[in-house]
Amino acid sequence: DQQVKQNSPSLSVQEGRISILNCDYTNSMFDYFLWYKKYPAEGPTFLISISSIKDKNEDGRFTVFLNKSAKHLSLHIVPSQPGDSAVYFCAARGEVKTGNQFYFGTGTSLTVIP
Amino acid sequence: DSGVTQTPKHLITATGQRVTLRCSPRSGDLSVYWYQQSLDQGLQFLIQYYNGEERAKGNILERFSAQQFPDLHSELNLSSLELGDSALYFCASSVEPRGRYGYTFGSGTRLTVV
Repeated sequence: DQQVKQNSPSLSVQEGRISILNCDYTNSMFDYFLWYKKYPAEGPTFLISISSIKDKNEDGRFTVFLNKSAKHLSLHIVPSQPGDSAVYFCAARGEVKTGNQFYFGTGTSLTVIP
Repeated sequence: DSGVTQTPKHLITATGQRVTLRCSPRSGDLSVYWYQQSLDQGLQFLIQYYNGEERAKGNILERFSAQQFPDLHSELNLSSLELGDSALYFCASSVEPRGRYGYTFGSGTRLTVV
């Protein structure tokens, strides 16, 4: 049962434009969300997080938006750069009683075209 | 280098065999997580250890087992291997059990069962 879904396997964007990566989740008890970036032959690296008490968190070119009523998360990258080309995973964490682990989506492969 | 070390990087073995994957967490991290990434699948949580104790269990098969040793390194044992066990196995660590600041992932062990 995939509790975190990334319905777009891939996305191509021109350099300098905005990249928007989307993520949906099913469990309303999730309280913490993260985005990871993964390059080939490397493990995922933490990018940005957001708590369920917020609806936006910004870090430089990266902004994560959370819409709890829609159970939807998005990552905006502005402006997009060729070095942003990677696979992006969203992840969501349940409360303690549901376990401490994060549930990951299947990833979206972003290609930024120079 | 993320600080999380996984060995070996690649492993090819036959069906029915048993293998052990090893993980050394980042210095100071007490929590270790194991994830499996199969083709076109997200990262599937297998199991978490915190300071030597099992903390949470995910979709880990009975043929698989893990442990965390006093020096905090962890091993994932996979037995009676099947073709479908071919996947990337990631280990991650965090300083506290809820992973509030995200996980630090290793670069993974690619297991191929033939």
